[in-house]
Amino acid sequence: EAGVAQSPRYKIIEKRQSVAFWCNPISGHATLYWYQQILGQGPKLLIQFQNNGVVDDSQLPKDRFSAERLKGVDSTLKIQPAKLEDSAVYLCASSSRGGSGANVLTFGAGSRLTVL
Amino acid sequence: GQSLEQPSEVTAVEGAIVQINCTYQTSGFYGLSWYQQHDGGAPTFLSYNGLDGLEETGRFSSFLSRSDSYGYLLLQELQMKDSASYFCAVRPSAVYNQGGKLIFGQGTELSVKP
Repeated sequence: EAGVAQSPRYKIIEKRQSVAFWCNPISGHATLYWYQQILGQGPKLLIQFQNNGVVDDSQLPKDRFSAERLKGVDSTLKIQPAKLEDSAVYLCASSSRGGSGANVLTFGAGSRLTVL
Repeated sequence: GQSLEQPSEVTAVEGAIVQINCTYQTSGFYGLSWYQQHDGGAPTFLSYNGLDGLEETGRFSSFLSRSDSYGYLLLQELQMKDSASYFCAVRPSAVYNQGGKLIFGQGTELSVKP
């Protein structure tokens, strides 16, 4: 099966600019996650979708970050305006809703953001 | 709060056995997972423990003791390609309630020397 697709792989922007990342999960996976991974740290959950509804966005900095999954398939994460501390890899992951598959998150290769 | 503790780095030689420990303190617990991440790569799933005991998958094994809030990943017959970061991750809520959300530890960087 095809994996989780993400784009762009790399993005360099100036602080206060905006950026958007795109993710297409594994076909049929109902749950989609956006994680932020700062260099040397573990991934931190930003937002979780179940189909096109938000399950958890408690750690999403809503004053500058937004995300949507309009048709319950692909998703976009936006940062506006970006800050220096947003430099990180943004990982998209998906999992199936139930059964043993729900215990496994499949990650995309990530989008590496550098804010100057 | 939620916290997972694991060593920041471990070094071992090819062919050896290494154990990476993880202790956790979370508001809820519905399973412990392990992920491997090579430099510049995506985290990839290694194992999952929902119940106490040992799970074995080839050269890798994972153990969980819920009463001790503790687990470990055991890597046997180490190979150079095992050099990577290893993350333990806790599911703090039931899948049927909040899906498969995971809280990750800070990661253990494993270096395998020849």
